[in-house]
Amino acid sequence: NAGVMQNPRHLVRRRGQEARLRCSPMKGHSHVYWYRQLPEEGLKFMVYLQKENIIDESGMPKERFSAEFPKEGPSILRIQQVVRGDSAAYFCASSPLNRDSQSSYNSPLHFGNGTRLTVT
Amino acid sequence: KQEVTQIPAALSVPEGENLVLNCSFTDSAIYNLQWFRQDPGKGLTSLLLIQSSQREQTSGRLNASLDKSSGRSTLYIAASQPGDSATYLCAVPSEKLVFGKGTKLTVNP
Repeated sequence: NAGVMQNPRHLVRRRGQEARLRCSPMKGHSHVYWYRQLPEEGLKFMVYLQKENIIDESGMPKERFSAEFPKEGPSILRIQQVVRGDSAAYFCASSPLNRDSQSSYNSPLHFGNGTRLTVT
Repeated sequence: KQEVTQIPAALSVPEGENLVLNCSFTDSAIYNLQWFRQDPGKGLTSLLLIQSSQREQTSGRLNASLDKSSGRSTLYIAASQPGDSATYLCAVPSEKLVFGKGTKLTVNP
């Protein structure tokens, strides 16, 4: 049973280019979360998606960042016109349940190995 | 707003030592608390999840305790090994999962 798969593992982009990060959740999981980890910082929540729906994007920067989770295929985190400050590790996690319900917090999230974005 | 703090930021110990990692949180109204391990260049591996009604959770050489009223959790690692070297993160659900910055542990052979 494959875990959460993220690709690419490493991504290098020049300032102004676009970055696309992909996340395939664990089999049977329909909820995806994106987190960003800056150097020497903790993980910060960015966005929570279900299939074809954005549930909570309160952690997403207002500009240049977008996320989707289509009916078919992986979830995509897209960063347009990247800047050096976007350099970070981006982690995806998945869950089978809606984490707004109390009982769902009893199951831990499953994380991927992350995509390390470097903007030169 | 929930905030999670981990002390120390880094810890270096000789192999075989027992050690304690600390985690504190500002809002004691939590469902549970999770401890994760992060290896360099890798994702997060869930180690232990303590429910709010529990005081302790054990897995092998790891023991996590939770004191909701004081807003603290500790992760105890017995008989540390070089393979335990990693960054240890604690996290609490609060609308989203809120993480501490982690403790980077190095166990020297």
